[in-house]
Amino acid sequence: EAGVAQSPRYKIIEKRQSVAFWCNPISGHATLYWYQQILGQGPKLLIQFQNNGVVDDSQLPKDRFSAERLKGVDSTLKIQPAKLEDSAVYLCASSPRTPPQETQYFGPGTRLLVL
Amino acid sequence: AQKITQTQPGMFVQEKEAVTLDCTYDTSDPSYGLFWYKQPSSGEMIFLIYQGSYDQQNATEGRYSLNFQKARKSANLVISASQLGDSAMYFCAMREGGYSTLTFGKGTMLLVSP
Repeated sequence: EAGVAQSPRYKIIEKRQSVAFWCNPISGHATLYWYQQILGQGPKLLIQFQNNGVVDDSQLPKDRFSAERLKGVDSTLKIQPAKLEDSAVYLCASSPRTPPQETQYFGPGTRLLVL
Repeated sequence: AQKITQTQPGMFVQEKEAVTLDCTYDTSDPSYGLFWYKQPSSGEMIFLIYQGSYDQQNATEGRYSLNFQKARKSANLVISASQLGDSAMYFCAMREGGYSTLTFGKGTMLLVSP
């Protein structure tokens, strides 16, 4: 079974530019998550989708970040305009609906550096 | 208050020895789940083990076991017979109640020496 796919793996941009990340979850997984992991910290949830609906986006900086999940499969996360503090690893994860465990499986992440 | 606390920034262990990575948690919800993930330098988070709050026995997965002490609110990861490939960051995470969102600790860097 293929894992969670993410692209690009690395991205370097200048502040105020825009950037987009793509995620393809494990086939059949209804729930998709985007996390931000700043160096030296654990991942922090940005947004959670259930199929193509948003379940939780309370920690998403909506003035600059946006995300969508079309047709309940692939998802894109966009930052516009980027700030220096957005430098981080952006992790995508997916989980099946198998309570109570609902283990999240993560992709390799996209490392973003904002100069 | 922090929901997940990992007090050990770094741990060193020799190959073939056992090591315990500490994790304490804070929740008032009687239903919760505890997870451990491994993050090698490549960046991917790899699921290791899960413990539910109502599980009667400590979880085990191969060389990984979870020392779950509910009254102390601790969920320590025990790795037996350490291998060089175990060198990585290890994160403890919690899911509370009916929510699938995970809250992560700050992680512990484990270095295994020959």
